[in-house]
Amino acid sequence: DVKVTQSSRYLVKRTGEKVFLECVQDMDHENMFWYRQDPGLGLRLIYFSYDVKMKEKGDIPEGYSVSREKKERFSLILESASTNQTSMYLCASSLDRASTDTQYFGPGTRLTVL
Amino acid sequence: AQKITQTQPGMFVQEKEAVTLDCTYDTSDPSYGLFWYKQPSSGEMIFLIYQGSYDQQNATEGRYSLNFQKARKSANLVISASQLGDSAMYFCAMRDANDYKLSFGAGTTVTVRA
Repeated sequence: DVKVTQSSRYLVKRTGEKVFLECVQDMDHENMFWYRQDPGLGLRLIYFSYDVKMKEKGDIPEGYSVSREKKERFSLILESASTNQTSMYLCASSLDRASTDTQYFGPGTRLTVL
Repeated sequence: AQKITQTQPGMFVQEKEAVTLDCTYDTSDPSYGLFWYKQPSSGEMIFLIYQGSYDQQNATEGRYSLNFQKARKSANLVISASQLGDSAMYFCAMRDANDYKLSFGAGTTVTVRA
């Protein structure tokens, strides 16, 4: 079974802090994704990576950056957290680029920025 | 641009009955994949079922089936014999053949009553 893990289930940070959210997958997947989920808006893609050290902006990249130094690990960075970044953050991974390819999700991190 | 529409924000269903969750989509790509995910209150997104745009038959996975009507661009999820554990939010998602990104609908909350 595919396993995607995220470093924290719940996180509370203060405005202006630098925040790291970590995601690890154990299935040698090529692609990894970061989404945020807000009520009524569904999931929105922040960034994704299709290979080590490669990254692409998603729909809402402003205020975020990412890092993928190793294939199994994809980090989301909030350089200076703001209250409007309070959200649920979900990481996902998928094997390749085929439209049949399923994305598998981690348990999510609920981030609160005070 | 892709767009996924789920018009039912919330639904109630009696235990052991079937429930249909609506999903319509919009894309100009002839090759695409459609996915349904379940998100319980714990927050994890669980993959349920997949339908390819060229698949001739409707997808089924246990108690889940997908009513795919390509001409109408709809991909409704049917849950048969509902169980209390089916209470969750359900998301419809789509990906075009040449795109990494999954586009999600806003979700439908299902509450199963005993």
